[in-house]
Amino acid sequence: AQSVSQHNHHVILSEAASLELGCNYSYGGTVNLFWYVQYPGQHLQLLLKYFSGDPLVKGIKGFEAEFIKSKFSFNLRKPSVQWSDTAEYFCAVNAGNTGFQKLVFGTGTRLLVSP
Amino acid sequence: KAGVTQTPRYLIKTRGQQVTLSCSPISGHRSVSWYQQTPGQGLQFLFEYFSETQRNKGNFPGRFSGRQFSNSRSEMNVSTLELGDSALYLCASWRGTGDSPLHFGNGTRLTVT
Repeated sequence: AQSVSQHNHHVILSEAASLELGCNYSYGGTVNLFWYVQYPGQHLQLLLKYFSGDPLVKGIKGFEAEFIKSKFSFNLRKPSVQWSDTAEYFCAVNAGNTGFQKLVFGTGTRLLVSP
Repeated sequence: KAGVTQTPRYLIKTRGQQVTLSCSPISGHRSVSWYQQTPGQGLQFLFEYFSETQRNKGNFPGRFSGRQFSNSRSEMNVSTLELGDSALYLCASWRGTGDSPLHFGNGTRLTVT
């Protein structure tokens, strides 16, 4: 069965610090990869997605992620975080290149950015 | 454009009862998915409906069922509720093909006592 691992459960950063959240998945075939964010009191929102092509994917709010197939990883990065980035971040994978049909989520990383 | 709407927002039920949750997708979206979110297990996929047919199913017991209507609205039913069914149930919709994104609703918080 597919699984997604997010190694950091809680991350605390100061504003302007750089962010990298790890995500590894276990599936050997073609995958679609996603990062979702859940701000306090809000619904899950899509940050970015990878379907094919350039493995460096740019999303909203200055976030980007790099798909490294050999490492089964899809790490999320942001060069300089803001207080408003405080949220929970979820990595997700869909096996078989079927888009958003059936997502397997990681357990999430809670990010706290202190002003 | 209205987002994904779930009703009710909160529910309290007793063990052994059944419950029906409702989801209205974004207009034009033909696929509706359901996820269960709990502190212990995180987000887990329940099932996905596309054009009134169940297209994908997760690893949940048969007590969990769903359906989709011709207007793409969906309902999820849980029968013989157990304490462990207490969770936030999220509905999500997307066009069903291509790479247009999956949009989530705010969820229905179910508490089983």
